[in-house]
Amino acid sequence: GIQVEQSPPDLILQEGANSTLRCNFSDSVNNLQWFHQNPWGQLINLFYIPSGTKQNGRLSATTVATERYSLLYISSSQTTDSGVYFCAVRRDTGRRALTFGSGTRLQVQP
Amino acid sequence: DAGVIQSPRHEVTEMGQEVTLRCKPISGHDYLFWYRQTMMRGLELLIYFNNNVPIDDSGMPEDRFSAKMPNASFSTLKIQPSEPRDSAVYFCASSNNYEQYFGPGTRLTVT
Repeated sequence: GIQVEQSPPDLILQEGANSTLRCNFSDSVNNLQWFHQNPWGQLINLFYIPSGTKQNGRLSATTVATERYSLLYISSSQTTDSGVYFCAVRRDTGRRALTFGSGTRLQVQP
Repeated sequence: DAGVIQSPRHEVTEMGQEVTLRCKPISGHDYLFWYRQTMMRGLELLIYFNNNVPIDDSGMPEDRFSAKMPNASFSTLKIQPSEPRDSAVYFCASSNNYEQYFGPGTRLTVT
């Protein structure tokens, strides 16, 4: 099946800092989503971004499908950004479910 | 829309007991997915349905697990008999073939 690798696995930031999270995938995809799993365990949709660039407030994401990677940018981080960020992809063909990376655990310190 | 609804939110049961998890997808979505999250294996697909029909159940660990979708607005995941290694968070998700939306999950503890 498709492989999804996220980096870094762990990240500690001071409040106000910026960060970039990376997701590499091993095959062509027609769906890529970024999720934030908050400390209560909820999976929050951040972006549906199979290609191109999107922005939502302090967060933005870019997917370069031809080079099989996606980036999530967090600017001016806040303590509420803490949690685990997951990248999940779906291949062009085959099953319709998402394959998840192992996540980046982010801790933003005040 | 209320989003994907799951019940119960927490379940504690003893080994050998039957457990039933429930899910109501977002109205109009024709795909429904069951995932399981553990520390060791991360988030993994168990089974998914399209228009109430099971399409891929290759992730279902063994015969103790079964899932049904009797109509477009309801699905169940049943474990019988439950074992301590089934302890995990079980997520239901739905989609319209594009973006997937997840429910709040059911945290299952089998003692």
